Amino acid sequence: AQTVTQSQPEMSVQEAETVTLSCTYDTSENNYYLFWYKQPPSRQMILVIRQEAYKQQNATENRFSVNFQKAAKSFSLKISDSQLGDTAMYFCAFMRNTGNQFYFGTGTSLTVIP
Amino acid sequence: DSGVTQTPKHLITATGQRVTLRCSPRSGDLSVYWYQQSLDQGLQFLIQYYNGEERAKGNILERFSAQQFPDLHSELNLSSLELGDSALYFCASSSPGGLSTDTQYFGPGTRLTVL
Repeated sequence: AQTVTQSQPEMSVQEAETVTLSCTYDTSENNYYLFWYKQPPSRQMILVIRQEAYKQQNATENRFSVNFQKAAKSFSLKISDSQLGDTAMYFCAFMRNTGNQFYFGTGTSLTVIP
Repeated sequence: DSGVTQTPKHLITATGQRVTLRCSPRSGDLSVYWYQQSLDQGLQFLIQYYNGEERAKGNILERFSAQQFPDLHSELNLSSLELGDSALYFCASSSPGGLSTDTQYFGPGTRLTVL
């Protein structure tokens, strides 16, 4: 079974600073996908970034980037130049290549402090 | 706006009742997924439909059922409701068949309150 662990229930960061959210996962699969989703107070789930396991290059999306360490089964999210609108719950998710079912971590609540 | 729509936005009902939640996927997406997010359980996958057929099943109770119609919209039916069924129910859609299309796009959710 796949498990996703987010060990930081809550984090805070000063506006304009950089913060890193951690995520580890456990799988015996070799090909899979990893995602970070953001859930703001509106409760809608918003895709932040995705990473294919076969790609060694870390994915980036504007101020968001990941540090994907396949051997260590680690997938951290770095948010640069944090903005107030980044305040949200962040979920790490795993998806097997052979199926479309997500396995979610328990989430990290991020607060950006003005 | 993800392009996935869910109705109703809020639903309040009593224990023992039955409700139906509706989801319309993004245009062109063939897969629909249902998730339950409760305070103590986190985000749990319930069930997936692909082009009208059940594709995968997660932690879905026997009191719950779902279907996907020919126009690709989906309904999640919850019956014999219990207090513990109070949660946010998300629908997501994707179009499997290519690396760029495996991402799931979530709707805004339906908040169900069982009194």
